[in-house]
Amino acid sequence: DAKTTQPPSMDCAEGRAANLPCNHSTISGNEYVYWYRQIHSQGPQYIIHGLKNNETNEMASLIITEDRKSSTLILPHATLRDTAVYYCIASYSNYQLIWGAGTKLIIKP
Amino acid sequence: EAGVAQSPRYKIIEKRQSVAFWCNPISGHATLYWYQQILGQGPKLLIQFQNNGVVDDSQLPKDRFSAERLKGVDSTLKIQPAKLEDSAVYLCASSHTSYGRGTDTQYFGPGTRLTVL
Repeated sequence: DAKTTQPPSMDCAEGRAANLPCNHSTISGNEYVYWYRQIHSQGPQYIIHGLKNNETNEMASLIITEDRKSSTLILPHATLRDTAVYYCIASYSNYQLIWGAGTKLIIKP
Repeated sequence: EAGVAQSPRYKIIEKRQSVAFWCNPISGHATLYWYQQILGQGPKLLIQFQNNGVVDDSQLPKDRFSAERLKGVDSTLKIQPAKLEDSAVYLCASSHTSYGRGTDTQYFGPGTRLTVL
């Protein structure tokens, strides 16, 4: 599995878009990029995943660069409830997820 | 749809004691995972079941940890005897994947926070 690199922490103002970067420069052609988040004292929650194309769902958007070496998770209008640790994982479909330490995102009022 | 249920939510034991955790996955989910999450780190997979068979237990400390998934539904994870370094949150997750080593979307329970004194 490709290793991912994320900043340890980020701040964002409430109501603004939160843009969380992830570097996965050694990702292979068949590895997906998955995003999960973990709110304090809860289990992780799936957000979104993608392979090559940008993806959007009701929670977030995922922008993957053309060379697939990095990606950005976008929360379009961050709320206080989006404060959490966000995990970016590169993995083959139907393969084990290897979790890093993630990015601690703090939404400030 | 009911989520993944885990119990207990909290457990405090002394070292060398035994402890067991229970997990009830989402109905119909073939794959069940147990993770260990130490404070400040991401989850680490301990064991993965496909129905009632073990798919991956390569990171399970088998001298003290055991897990079973009878009838392919509920699962229990046991630690005997516990060590100080076992203090962590134990997370159970399930997914719908019914073949291979799945990383279909995983749904997590709230976890059990274990403190070993």
